[in-house]
Amino acid sequence: GQQLNQSPQSMFIQEGEDVSMNCTSSSIFNTWLWYKQDPGEGPVLLIALYKAGELTSNGRLTAQFGITRKDSFLNISASIPSDVGIYFCAGLVTTSGTYKYIFGTGTRLKVLA
Amino acid sequence: EAGVAQSPRYKIIEKRQSVAFWCNPISGHATLYWYQQILGQGPKLLIQFQNNGVVDDSQLPKDRFSAERLKGVDSTLKIQPAKLEDSAVYLCASSSRVVEKLFFGSGTQLSVL
Repeated sequence: GQQLNQSPQSMFIQEGEDVSMNCTSSSIFNTWLWYKQDPGEGPVLLIALYKAGELTSNGRLTAQFGITRKDSFLNISASIPSDVGIYFCAGLVTTSGTYKYIFGTGTRLKVLA
Repeated sequence: EAGVAQSPRYKIIEKRQSVAFWCNPISGHATLYWYQQILGQGPKLLIQFQNNGVVDDSQLPKDRFSAERLKGVDSTLKIQPAKLEDSAVYLCASSSRVVEKLFFGSGTQLSVL
């Protein structure tokens, strides 16, 4: 089945550092969504991307829709302790005329103050 | 605007028992999803509704899982009988249309003992 590979799986960074993570697949996606999930909560939408090459920002977060449509990237600038959590990408695929979102395995971010 | 509501937040049952989860999507959202999230993994789609019709249930273990959305608004997901491997967080999400952004509820954490 279709899979999304996220990397890195986890990372420890110092407060103030920039963070980069990505999501890759062998399949082509029509839309990319990036979510953050805190413990005991549902994922919260951060950024949505709709076109290949699109670059979108939300505060300190910037995400890009890869030109090949098979990958996406999320950057966090000047990280702060509340950035701790699990970040998921989700790609919209079409299978037999049906659209659905496939989620990645997540990147666990820990910020050291 | 009220978000996606789910209940209960937590449920502990013994294997072979039955359990049901309830979801109320964002008002006006035609598409409703149930995802299963096993610890350490990304959400996996179980079933997708468009209004009160099933769009995709290819990943739903139909021998024990069932879901309905009778009036095109609220939805229930049932497991009967539960197995140990059903321990997970069950997330409900909704979107205004199939290709639009997903918004998640807080989830129901199920523990099967």
